[in-house]
Amino acid sequence: AQSVSQHNHHVILSEAASLELGCNYSYGGTVNLFWYVQYPGQHLQLLLKYFSGDPLVKGIKGFEAEFIKSKFSFNLRKPSVQWSDTAEYCCAVSHSGNTGKLIFGQGTTLQVKP
Amino acid sequence: NAGVMQNPRHLVRRRGQEARLRCSPMKGHSHVYWYRQLPEEGLKFMVYLQKENIIDESGMPKERFSAEFPKEGPSILRIQQVVRGDSAAYFCAARPSHSGNTIYFGEGSWLTVV
Repeated sequence: AQSVSQHNHHVILSEAASLELGCNYSYGGTVNLFWYVQYPGQHLQLLLKYFSGDPLVKGIKGFEAEFIKSKFSFNLRKPSVQWSDTAEYCCAVSHSGNTGKLIFGQGTTLQVKP
Repeated sequence: NAGVMQNPRHLVRRRGQEARLRCSPMKGHSHVYWYRQLPEEGLKFMVYLQKENIIDESGMPKERFSAEFPKEGPSILRIQQVVRGDSAAYFCAARPSHSGNTIYFGEGSWLTVV
């Protein structure tokens, strides 16, 4: 069965620190990969997605993620975090032919200290 | 959130009562997904509907839960005879037919069973 694992449940960083959140998935076929962010009191927003092509994907707000097929990973990165990046980050995967049915990881809460 | 409206945002029910959660996607967004997020867990797929049809209900509990998306009106997630374990955030997501695999989430409905 498909599964998604996010290694860090709670991360605390100071402003300007670099961020990397791990995401590994378990699925042998062709997948689509997503990172969503949920700011306090708001809905889930799409940060970035990978369907095909360049495995280094750039998203909104300076985030990027790299798809490494051999490692079944799709880690999220940001070189310098801001206090406003405090949020819940969710990695998700879908089968390329299964429109919209997402398998989510358990989420990582990022707290950025000013 | 591409206009995905959910209501109520917060709902409190006593054990044994019924809970109805509504999701109104934008006009033309005929594909609707429901997800549930239990405390301290990631989002879990429940059901996928396309106007008047249930496409995939593999994530729905076998009893007490039902979903519909009528030709007119919002999609409804109905939970009969609620129990404390039903307390969770319920998210609706939607997409139009042509948008591929990107779905847009609503702000969620928080159900508390007392």
